[in-house]
Amino acid sequence: AQKITQTQPGMFVQEKEAVTLDCTYDTSDPSYGLFWYKQPSSGEMIFLIYQGSYDQQNATEGRYSLNFQKARKSANLVISASQLGDSAMYFCPTVGTSYGKLTFGQGTILTVHP
Amino acid sequence: DGGITQSPKYLFRKEGQNVTLSCEQNLNHDAMYWYRQDPGQGLRLIYYSQIVNDFQKGDIAEGYSVSREKKESFPLTVTSAQKNPTAFYLCASSSLGRVGNQPQHFGDGTRLSIL
Repeated sequence: AQKITQTQPGMFVQEKEAVTLDCTYDTSDPSYGLFWYKQPSSGEMIFLIYQGSYDQQNATEGRYSLNFQKARKSANLVISASQLGDSAMYFCPTVGTSYGKLTFGQGTILTVHP
Repeated sequence: DGGITQSPKYLFRKEGQNVTLSCEQNLNHDAMYWYRQDPGQGLRLIYYSQIVNDFQKGDIAEGYSVSREKKESFPLTVTSAQKNPTAFYLCASSSLGRVGNQPQHFGDGTRLSIL
């Protein structure tokens, strides 16, 4: 079984500043993947970034980077140069050997202030 | 453009009624999924399918049924046995690549309410 913990129910950041969204996970699977998704108020889920448990490098995608600390079982998302359009709910689901089965946490609501 | 289409966007159910939510994808993905999201919560898996004519229960399958007669389509029926169906329903699809590294792509969702 897997469990995701996102300890920040809400985060606030000033436009153009960087922000880190925390995510810790608990899994017994030897191999697993970690994703970050963004959910705007309209409801759709937008894939942002992926990290595999055996990847040597931290994943990066444009303004998004993942601070992956395997020993601590954490996979924090760093958003650089925040934009007003980044305001949304953010989730960090994992997938393990139960193929395709994403396990979600409660999410973090990010609000970007002008 | 390739994507996932869910319909309708809003749906109302009367007591004792079955309703069916549509999900179609033209991404040529083998796997498809149905999730339920309650307000302020994460997603929970209802059913998933990796191949035509085969599907597996997720964590909260009771009161729901699915079919997968075509690769492109994965409709979800919310039956009268589901006593608390009011929620946001999301359909997703993904490739069957190396286990765990294929992102799931989501539709825009269907909001279901009880009349």
